[in-house]
Amino acid sequence: NAGVTQTPKFQVLKTGQSMTLQCAQDMNHNSMYWYRQDPGMGLRLIYYSASEGTTDKGEVPNGYNVSRLNKREFSLRLESAAPSQTSVYFCASSELDSGHPYFGPGTRLTVT
Amino acid sequence: GESVGLHLPTLSVQEGDNSIINCAYSNSASDYFIWYKQESGKGPQFIIDIRSNMDKRQGQRVTVLLNKTVKHLSLQIAATQPGDSAVYFCAEKEGGTYKYIFGTGTRLKVLA
Repeated sequence: NAGVTQTPKFQVLKTGQSMTLQCAQDMNHNSMYWYRQDPGMGLRLIYYSASEGTTDKGEVPNGYNVSRLNKREFSLRLESAAPSQTSVYFCASSELDSGHPYFGPGTRLTVT
Repeated sequence: GESVGLHLPTLSVQEGDNSIINCAYSNSASDYFIWYKQESGKGPQFIIDIRSNMDKRQGQRVTVLLNKTVKHLSLQIAATQPGDSAVYFCAEKEGGTYKYIFGTGTRLKVLA
C-alpha cells in the first residue's frame, strides 16, 4: 500500500516549456487535490477533483490544467511554465467529504 | 536544502518538555480541523484531527484543543523528542466544501 505517489520528484524547466506532474493513489479515495507550497504562504489549492469525472478550480488555478484520468490518477499540467510557478507541488487524496487528506512526497519544480 | 519554511515562527523546547503549538483559524463556518507535521523534503503527515462538536481530542503523546469562541486551535506534544523536530501546520475545512485552508506553519526545534 504505497498511499499517494508523485512523479517526478524533481524537475527543472525553462520558461515556456510544458510538463505534466503525475499523481496516483491506491486508497480508493474519491477526492484528489493539487497544492503548491511556497515559503511563508502555506499550502494553496490549485485544483481539486471531488470525484471521478469532475474537476474544479481552487485558489490559484491560473497557468495550470488538470485531468482526472480515473479514480486512481490525477495529473497537473503546466502548458507554458513561468518562473512564478517555481514551487513544491503536492498531490493529496481523501474520502468524499470526510477524513483528512493524505499527501504525496511532492515534486520540486524550478522554472528558470 | 528545503526552502519551504524559511522565516517561520519557531518554537524551541528542551527534549522531554511539553510543546504547545498554536493556530488561529479564520472561518467560523469551519467544522473540521487537522494538524499536520512536515519534515524537511517530505510531504505533510497527518497527526490528529478534531471536529467542531468536540473541544479536545487525544492521541498518542498528542492532544488537540479547539476553542470555537476565539477560533483557536492548539497542538500539545507531551515529552517532546528529537524526532518531533519539524514544521507543524493546522488546517481547517468548512462543512460541505472540499476546500482546506492551511496555516503557514510553526517550526518546532527540540534541543538536546
